[in-house]
Amino acid sequence: DTEVTQTPKHLVMGMTNKKSLKCEQHMGHRAMYWYKQKAKKPPELMFVYSYEKLSINESVPSRFSPECPNSSLLNLHLHALQPEDSALYLCASSPLGTGVQETQYFGPGTRLLVL
Amino acid sequence: KNQVEQSPQSLIILEGKNCTLQCNYTVSPFSNLRWYKQDTGRGPVSLTIMTFSENTKSNGRYTATLDADTKQSSLHITASQLSDSASYICVVREFGNEKLTFGTGTRLTIIP
Repeated sequence: DTEVTQTPKHLVMGMTNKKSLKCEQHMGHRAMYWYKQKAKKPPELMFVYSYEKLSINESVPSRFSPECPNSSLLNLHLHALQPEDSALYLCASSPLGTGVQETQYFGPGTRLLVL
Repeated sequence: KNQVEQSPQSLIILEGKNCTLQCNYTVSPFSNLRWYKQDTGRGPVSLTIMTFSENTKSNGRYTATLDADTKQSSLHITASQLSDSASYICVVREFGNEKLTFGTGTRLTIIP
């Protein structure tokens, strides 16, 4: 299984809603990532989890709250978002280490619209 | 600051023709360089990954080259197909770092 799955595929939420994005992989990868991608722009790193611990937070606003319940799952909890947070949210995973062949595998993304 | 620049920004070619996309980077120390294909609204899919010692790597109709001395890479697509229409992103990893530096991508459109 070389797949990263993300749910939901699409999400529309109001600025007062609380929602969660989910990501799952069964490749035994110990690093998982959240990216935000605006139209016609490259993905921007938000968070990195290594061995289920948060290792990188790219100064993301607290209205985004990541969670890694176990080595296969990664959640992104959303609360009080702004319309400018509308974007494609990508999850990725990779084996952990400094191996030069290491590749990040991306999920299909969740298209988020904040009204 | 690590940077990855790609050219051209966009490219339109006829089905069946070949094309070459360029990537220049300043990431150092270098670990690897990957080319991803991203369809609109979808996640990036890895096409090739190249390390310091590799000059050329092929994946079907895709051939990537790397010149680590000049810090340049290219992606050559042979006999283009309509399904090749997508954004192609060059991504460079710094040695010993989990973070990747993404290029801004080349938007390729194949027309019949």
